[in-house]
Amino acid sequence: DAGVTQSPTHLIKTRGQQVTLRCSPKSGHDTVSWYQQALGQGPQFIFQYYEEEERQRGNFPDRFSGHQFPNYSSELNVNALLLGDSALYLCASSSRGHGSYNSPLHFGNGTRLTVT
Amino acid sequence: SQQGEEDPQALSIQEGENATMNCSYKTSINNLQWYRQNSGRGLVHLILIRSNEREKHSGRLRVTLDTSKKSSSLLITASRAADTASYFCATDDYTGNQFYFGTGTSLTVIP
Repeated sequence: DAGVTQSPTHLIKTRGQQVTLRCSPKSGHDTVSWYQQALGQGPQFIFQYYEEEERQRGNFPDRFSGHQFPNYSSELNVNALLLGDSALYLCASSSRGHGSYNSPLHFGNGTRLTVT
Repeated sequence: SQQGEEDPQALSIQEGENATMNCSYKTSINNLQWYRQNSGRGLVHLILIRSNEREKHSGRLRVTLDTSKKSSSLLITASRAADTASYFCATDDYTGNQFYFGTGTSLTVIP
């Protein structure tokens, strides 16, 4: 049973560039959430996708956008990268069928993004 | 902000001892969850406790929840070196879609 997979594992970009991160959810899961984790901090919610639509968004600027595909996989796009965007980006999947508030998140190992 | 706050920030114990870490949060919740994160890896779900529960056990883990004080504690008994990790509490918003994580407790278990 494949867990949550993310690619790439590491990425180095220059300020102003754009980046796309990818996530495949755990088998049987239909909901994908993205989190940003700065060094020494806890994860911060970016947004959640369900049925190919953004369902909820955290306090992140429009430079952060996403997409969910019919197979439930998801992408996170960040435009006009800033130095402060350097972080570990975590994808988490869950199943809405169990009721969101009782469904634990299953995390991938993340993509480490470094912006220089 | 509904963000949880873990206490202490760092904890160092000998193998075999018990480790207790605490979490405080600010607003009402549906449930509270605890996660573990090994360095540079993703988070692993440990245990979920619902707002109408006061205590829950899973193996060597014991979680308590006091909604009147808006606090929770995680007890790891008979700790092992493999328990060395950061531990986070997470609370949900009213929709259950968004989770708020604290800054974590860094636990070091010395063999």
